[in-house]
Amino acid sequence: EPEVTQTPSHQVTQMGQEVILRCVPISNHLYFYWYRQILGQKVEFLVSFYNNEISEKSEIFDDQFSVERPDGSNFTLKIRSTKLEDSAMYFCASRDDGRQPQHFGDGTRLSIL
Amino acid sequence: QKEVEQDPGPLSVPEGAIVSLNCTYSNSAFQYFMWYRQYSRKGPELLMYTYSSGNKEDGRFTAQVDKSSKYISLFIRDSQPSDSATYLCAMSAVQGGKLIFGQGTELSVKP
Repeated sequence: EPEVTQTPSHQVTQMGQEVILRCVPISNHLYFYWYRQILGQKVEFLVSFYNNEISEKSEIFDDQFSVERPDGSNFTLKIRSTKLEDSAMYFCASRDDGRQPQHFGDGTRLSIL
Repeated sequence: QKEVEQDPGPLSVPEGAIVSLNCTYSNSAFQYFMWYRQYSRKGPELLMYTYSSGNKEDGRFTAQVDKSSKYISLFIRDSQPSDSATYLCAMSAVQGGKLIFGQGTELSVKP
């Protein structure tokens, strides 16, 4: 069964450094999403992306965050200058152009030191 | 009032039991309702997806939506130890829109 793939599974970064989280959505999907889950808290929406532009973003998704689809298969989330509070699991999700729900990857655990 | 509320548990049941999980919500605009299962250190895995009110059955799983009460449920029949996981409810107001998640209920099924 096709799946959403995320790399790396665990990223450790010094505070203030830039980090890029990578996702390969399911191949025929057109809508892409990032969510995060701080330890012990709910999964929270960050941003949705369609047709090479942001469709919707949450208040968490400030100027330190950006997303990009650099080629036909990858979808990335960049955090420009990481803070301690950015430590969380980051999940990528995708869906097709139909009435189907979002399918999630296994996440990248981001640890900011 | 929180947008989506879900009892975090933990919930422990014996193998073979019927499990009932539920969420309440406050936003009457929600129309799309999902249940995801999340194993430790894994991503949410879609179990059930329903639109508007009604019931949907898939194998041992039944999802119910009662929009008038703003209440959704997931029933698991003949529960198995492999069902031990955290169950997340999620909902959205528009098709493909941002998902709002509950806290998740941790379920443990004992052999």
